[in-house]
Amino acid sequence: DIQMTQSPSTLSASVGERITITCRASQSIGRWLAWYQEKPGKAPKLLISKASTLVSGVPSRFSGRGSGTEFSLTITSLQPDDYATYYCQQYSSYWTFGQGTKVEIK
Amino acid sequence: QVQLQESGPGLVKSSETLSLTCSVSGGSIRSSSSYWAWIRRAPGKGLEWIGSFHNTANTYYNPSLQGRVTITKDTSKNQFSLKLGSATAADTAAYFCVTGPGEIDVWGHGTLVTVYS
Repeated sequence: DIQMTQSPSTLSASVGERITITCRASQSIGRWLAWYQEKPGKAPKLLISKASTLVSGVPSRFSGRGSGTEFSLTITSLQPDDYATYYCQQYSSYWTFGQGTKVEIK
Repeated sequence: QVQLQESGPGLVKSSETLSLTCSVSGGSIRSSSSYWAWIRRAPGKGLEWIGSFHNTANTYYNPSLQGRVTITKDTSKNQFSLKLGSATAADTAAYFCVTGPGEIDVWGHGTLVTVYS
C-alpha cells in the first residue's frame, strides 16, 4: 500500500503570506497526485490534479509541483477564503489521502 | 454535470451493518472514464478511502476494511451502495460517494452516520 505523509498538520499564517504544504509518498506515484480544499460542513473541493494542473476556476495563487515521491502545494498570497483544511491524494495505485493540513489564522 | 446523493440511516447500532446508497444523476455508473467510490471522514480525522469500482475493472477496497466492506452497483437504477459489517463506534463518520477519473472531481454532500451502542 502507498502511504502519504503530509506536513505540517497545522499551519498558522496571516493574510497575504505565502505558504507551502508538502506531501510525500512512500513509493513513486509519478504525477498521480491531487490536492483538495475542505471547509467545515462542505464536501472537499478539487484544486489540482496530476500534481500541477490547476482545476478550472481555482485562483492562480494556488500552485502544485512535484513528481515521484515529493509534492507541494503553494498559496502565494493567502486570502481569507483560503483558511481551510487541505489534503493530498495519490491515485497511482488505488487511493490514499494525506492526513490533512489545517491552515489557521495567525 | 454529474450529481451524487447519499442516502441511508443516520444511526446504526453497534455490531450491525451500515448501509448507504448513492444515487447518480447527470451521468452513468457504466461510464468507462470514471471511478465510483466511497470516502469517509471520522470526527477529528482525515479523509479515508473505503473502496471503489470502475466499469471495466474489479471493485477494490481499503485493506484496513477488507472483509467488512462490500460495494455493489445497480446499473438499472444508476446507483451504487456500501455495506460495512460489524460496525463499531470507530465507523462513525461522514460518508461521501464520489466519482472521478482518478482525481475526485464530483462529491456528494455527504451523510453523517453515527454508530451507537
